Amino acid sequence: ILNVEQSPQSLHVQEGDSTNFTCSFPSSNFYALHWYRWETAKSPEALFVMTLNGDEKKKGRISATLNTKEGYSYLYIKGSQPEDSATYLCAFIGAAGNKLTFGGGTRVLVKP
Amino acid sequence: EAGVVQSPRYKIIEKKQPVAFWCNPISGHNTPYWYLQNLGQGPELLIRYENEEAVDDSQLPKDRFSAERLKGVDSTLKIQPAELGDSAVYLCASSSTYGRQETQYFGPGTRLLVL
Repeated sequence: ILNVEQSPQSLHVQEGDSTNFTCSFPSSNFYALHWYRWETAKSPEALFVMTLNGDEKKKGRISATLNTKEGYSYLYIKGSQPEDSATYLCAFIGAAGNKLTFGGGTRVLVKP
Repeated sequence: EAGVVQSPRYKIIEKKQPVAFWCNPISGHNTPYWYLQNLGQGPELLIRYENEEAVDDSQLPKDRFSAERLKGVDSTLKIQPAELGDSAVYLCASSSTYGRQETQYFGPGTRLLVL
């Protein structure tokens, strides 16, 4: 059973502040890590697919880094806005696997 | 481009009743997926199709769940009979092909409540 953990489970951020949270995954047999954003009553939206150790990806005010040797990825939100309020999910897929294993998500609430 | 379409969005049924969910993947996508998401947890794969063949259905409770790919396009997921523990969000996703780096595009999900 693959263990993909996200922390914290939830966080409240003041509008304008920056924040970050973590996805931990098995460091052996890594193939790719996917990040999704899921707003309430909407479809989960793909943010990034990360494959290389040290990779850093950016989409607007959201960026992510990847450390495959130690098995973690950080997702950063710079200058949080209320529209960033969502659950952020990471999903791991191993070299020998054939399906995404999701973490439990980090629920972000940005307060105006 | 239209996204993944799911219906119904919400369903309330009594236990032991049957229920069916419908999914229309993105046009041209040959790999639809069905996921189950329990409250506070991440989605878990129930079944994946490659073209019209069901692959990787190890997490599908086959005594009560069944899935079908209709004419190679739409897909349905059925539960018969439903149990209280089946209350969850059922997500459909699709990708153009199967690959570990391939992005999966999700529908909005069907929220099922079994009373």
